[in-house]
Parts: sequence; structure tokens; C-alpha cells
Amino acid sequence: ETGVTQSPTHLIKTRGQQVTLRCSSQSGHNTVSWYQQALGQGPQFIFQYYREEENGRGNFPPRFSGLQFPNYSSELNVNALELDDSALYLCASSLRLAGGPEQFFGPGTRLTVL
Amino acid sequence: AQKVTQAQTEISVVEKEDVTLDCVYETRDTTYYLFWYKQPPSGELVFLIRRNSFDEQNEISGRYSWNFQKSTSSFNFTITASQVVDSAVYFCALSEDSGNTGKLIFGQGTTLQVKP
Repeated sequence: ETGVTQSPTHLIKTRGQQVTLRCSSQSGHNTVSWYQQALGQGPQFIFQYYREEENGRGNFPPRFSGLQFPNYSSELNVNALELDDSALYLCASSLRLAGGPEQFFGPGTRLTVL
Repeated sequence: AQKVTQAQTEISVVEKEDVTLDCVYETRDTTYYLFWYKQPPSGELVFLIRRNSFDEQNEISGRYSWNFQKSTSSFNFTITASQVVDSAVYFCALSEDSGNTGKLIFGQGTTLQVKP
């Protein structure tokens, strides 16, 4: 186990609703990245947080937003849910280094949007 | 543009066979990092290996080995004497040094099924 935890494990929402997913990073790690993995696809980078600031963002609309707290835990918020938001959301923590740090993933939150 | 291609969608082998998972990448950076992750049915991505672009030495870890060839932009993964527990989806990923986010660009994944 990596020590990265995510909650909840599963979630069902309806179109238009808002959702908050949570992640606790591995002890000693100061960076959290979020990824979206659609069924049968590889994970796609959503954004990264380092010391409570957004530090890079993938090709996702502004309705995907996040937070990082002083203890380095993080939240992913998605507003105005769409059917295509149904996916496994993975959180990864790492210790910021000069490029290419090992990222350790949590078990994911499976979101279903009906 | 950065891209990772895993051309093999699904591979099925019988236990004890050797199997190689292919990975081809594209990047304009001279400094980059390559990774392999394993995703069992539980969904959690398990880190297997990281290589940087300056280290082309092949690596062996137990039944796992990796062949990194910059000349062909490939980073292939071989499992020797496969076991049923190796059944999973395997992802190859690329991280570039520029931007310093370490964001991972994943391939589509290869589903490996090892039959008893």
C-alpha cells in the first residue's frame, strides 16, 4: 500500500450536480496530482497542487477545480456534472523534485453520473 | 507533442510463458522520465519502475525486466515465467522535465491475461 487514501470509494450523482472528492497524500509528500481515467483508457492529468497552489493543469474545463490544504491533503471539485464525467478519479502524491518524481496513487474514486 | 503508444491492447498467455509489453513514446525534451505502472482489478495504480532519459541501462527486478532504447524511442517491459497474479492492465507513462510538474502522460494500457 502507498499510504495515499481517497474518499469516497464510489459515488453516484445526476447530471448538473456538484461533487467533491478527497485525497490524503502519503506522509512526507507535498504535491498532489489528480487524474481522470475513463473506462478502457489511460489516466488523463487534470491538475496538480504544490504547497496549496495549482501547479499545472491539463485540458479540463474550469468546472474542475481543486484545493490543497496545509497538511497537503487535497480536494477535487466538479461542478455541473456531465455524463462524460463518469470515470475513475485517481489521486497521486509525490515529493516535488527536479522533474520526474515517482507518483504514488491512491485506490481511486469511481464516479457515475446518471 | 508528447505521446505514449501501447499498441497491444490485450495479450493472453499461459502461465510460465514469457511476455513482452511494448511501449513507444514521443517527446521533444532531452530530459524525460519513463514509468511503468500496474493496475489490478482493484483500480489502484502500482508503481513498477522509473527510468530517466540519460540512463539506458536495462534493468531486471526478479521476473521483471525493462529494455530502454532511445534510438527507437521504446521502453519495453518483459515478464519472465508469467504467473496468474500478473494479470492486470499495464500502463507505460512519460514525464517531461520542463514545467516541473512531473505530470504523467499515459499510454492506453495493455491488458495482460495469464491463464493457468
